[in-house]
Amino acid sequence: ETGVTQSPTHLIKTRGQQVTLRCSSQSGHNTVSWYQQALGQGPQFIFQYYREEENGRGNFPPRFSGLQFPNYSSELNVNALELDDSALYLCASSLAFGQGSADTQYFGPGTRLTVL
Amino acid sequence: SQKIEQNSEALNIQEGKTATLTCNYTNYSPAYLQWYRQDPGRGPVFLLLIRENEKEKRKERLKVTFDTTLKQSLFHITASQPADSATYLCAPTPGGYNKLIFGAGTRLAVHP
Repeated sequence: ETGVTQSPTHLIKTRGQQVTLRCSSQSGHNTVSWYQQALGQGPQFIFQYYREEENGRGNFPPRFSGLQFPNYSSELNVNALELDDSALYLCASSLAFGQGSADTQYFGPGTRLTVL
Repeated sequence: SQKIEQNSEALNIQEGKTATLTCNYTNYSPAYLQWYRQDPGRGPVFLLLIRENEKEKRKERLKVTFDTTLKQSLFHITASQPADSATYLCAPTPGGYNKLIFGAGTRLAVHP
């Protein structure tokens, strides 16, 4: 077990709705990253938070947003859900961010989101 | 743009044999490369990291090679067991990044 937890495990929403997914990082990890994994694909980087500020974003529109809190928890919010947003959403925490660092990322079990 | 290729077809091998998985990348030079294991419905689990100046890394039954000339990494599992059955993801990562760029993964099935 990585010590990273996510909630809920499964979620069903309809198109146009909004959703909030939650993650609890390992204690002491000040960096959290969120990934989207479609069926049969590798995880795709959404964004990363370091010390409660966004620190890099992948190719995802602004309706994907996040928050990181001082207590090692974080949230991923998705507005105006689309059918293509159906995927496994993974958060990953790491010990520290640094230029050129190669920190191992510890993944949670994911939240399976289905958009109907 | 950065491109990562892993065998899209499942790899089926007999228990006790060595499994070899391939990861090829193009259009960039990763500073390091990580391999992860993912079981169905679960998050990826870190296995090994190899840096661009390392040719080979071992951990128990696992071995990773990194050929920056061929732009390829090979991942070996020796004496494979049915419990090794999973999807294996490679993530060749540029320097200065802490995000992971994953391939689509290769599914390994080890048969008794």
